[in-house]
Amino acid sequence: EPEVTQTPSHQVTQMGQEVILRCVPISNHLYFYWYRQILGQKVEFLVSFYNNEISEKSEIFDDQFSVERPDGSNFTLKIRSTKLEDSAMYFCASSDGRAAEQYFGPGTRLTVT
Amino acid sequence: GEDVEQSLFLSVREGDSSVINCTYTDSSSTYLYWYKQEPGAGLQLLTYIFSNMDMKQDQRLTVLLNKKDKHLSLRIADTQTGDSAIYFCAETTLNSGNTPLVFGKGTRLSVIA
Repeated sequence: EPEVTQTPSHQVTQMGQEVILRCVPISNHLYFYWYRQILGQKVEFLVSFYNNEISEKSEIFDDQFSVERPDGSNFTLKIRSTKLEDSAMYFCASSDGRAAEQYFGPGTRLTVT
Repeated sequence: GEDVEQSLFLSVREGDSSVINCTYTDSSSTYLYWYKQEPGAGLQLLTYIFSNMDMKQDQRLTVLLNKKDKHLSLRIADTQTGDSAIYFCAETTLNSGNTPLVFGKGTRLSVIA
């Protein structure tokens, strides 16, 4: 069964450093998303992406964040200058848009020290 | 904004039924979802229901929707120890293929053998 994959599973970085989180969505899907879950909190929407551009973003997704689809398979989230409060589990999701189903990857745990 | 609320904990004995409840505020919610998160894993889509339905059954899972009260429940029949996980309720107003999901905080289900 096709699945969303994410790398790395765990990333530790120092405050102020740039990180890139990688995702490979399901191959025939056209819509891509990033969500995050701070420990003990709700899963929160960050951004959605379709047709090589951002469709919607939340207020969390400020200028420190960017997304890119650098090739036909990867979807990346970049945090330019990480802060302690960026520590969270980051989930990538994809959907084909025709149905209501969003499929999530296993997540990348980002720890900012 | 939209809000989704769930009780945080539920403990049941193996073999009993579990009922996990959720309330939401957005009256224009189109789809309502249940996701399962096992320890260290991502979000697994269990089932979802369209807002014009009252009930959906899928093997041991039964979803009930009371649209008037904005109440969603997930019943797991014959609960097994492998059902121990966090269950997230989520909703969306699916206007296009890329509408974000709004999640609750999750209900931690503990199954006692």
